[in-house]
Amino acid sequence: GESVGLHLPTLSVQEGDNSIINCAYSNSASDYFIWYKQESGKGPQFIIDIRSNMDKRQGQRVTVLLNKTVKHLSLQIAATQPGDSAVYFCAETPGNQFYFGTGTSLTVIP
Amino acid sequence: EAGVAQSPRYKIIEKRQSVAFWCNPISGHATLYWYQQILGQGPKLLIQFQNNGVVDDSQLPKDRFSAERLKGVDSTLKIQPAKLEDSAVYLCASSFTGRASSAQYFGPGTRLLVL
Repeated sequence: GESVGLHLPTLSVQEGDNSIINCAYSNSASDYFIWYKQESGKGPQFIIDIRSNMDKRQGQRVTVLLNKTVKHLSLQIAATQPGDSAVYFCAETPGNQFYFGTGTSLTVIP
Repeated sequence: EAGVAQSPRYKIIEKRQSVAFWCNPISGHATLYWYQQILGQGPKLLIQFQNNGVVDDSQLPKDRFSAERLKGVDSTLKIQPAKLEDSAVYLCASSFTGRASSAQYFGPGTRLLVL
């Protein structure tokens, strides 16, 4: 199977600070990456995606960075809010298959 | 727009019993996925349907797990007989197409506990 891992299983940040969640992927053939947010008791929710021909993509308060040289993906959340507390997963897609990472639990401290 | 519906939300059974989960995808979505999410891990794809046909079931333990999507809409996932290691959340997702770039929308999941 594929290996999609996260560097840190837990992350605590102060409300208002920026958060950075990292992800390492293993398949150099992966050409599309997605970040999901999963709140307790809910299914994963799409946050942002990026194709392998891009290095950076920005959304509302979120930015995804892709470094294909070292097979590294990161999710940056600006001005983190209590509602951002959740588990964040990256997923890589070689072809049309989906492989999710283990997840990082983000806790926002008020 | 209604989201992906799943039932039941919770299920507790004893090992060797049978259990079935139901999923109703978003209207118009051709592709339906079943995932298994063990506590502390990311979702793992069990099976992917395109309309009523199976696209990928390579990670489905076929000796005990089965799934169907007879009319290309609703789907059921069955486990018979259940093992302790089947305790997990079973997530259903749907997308408009089966392409990786087509966003998957997840249901709330069914939390299964096997005793």
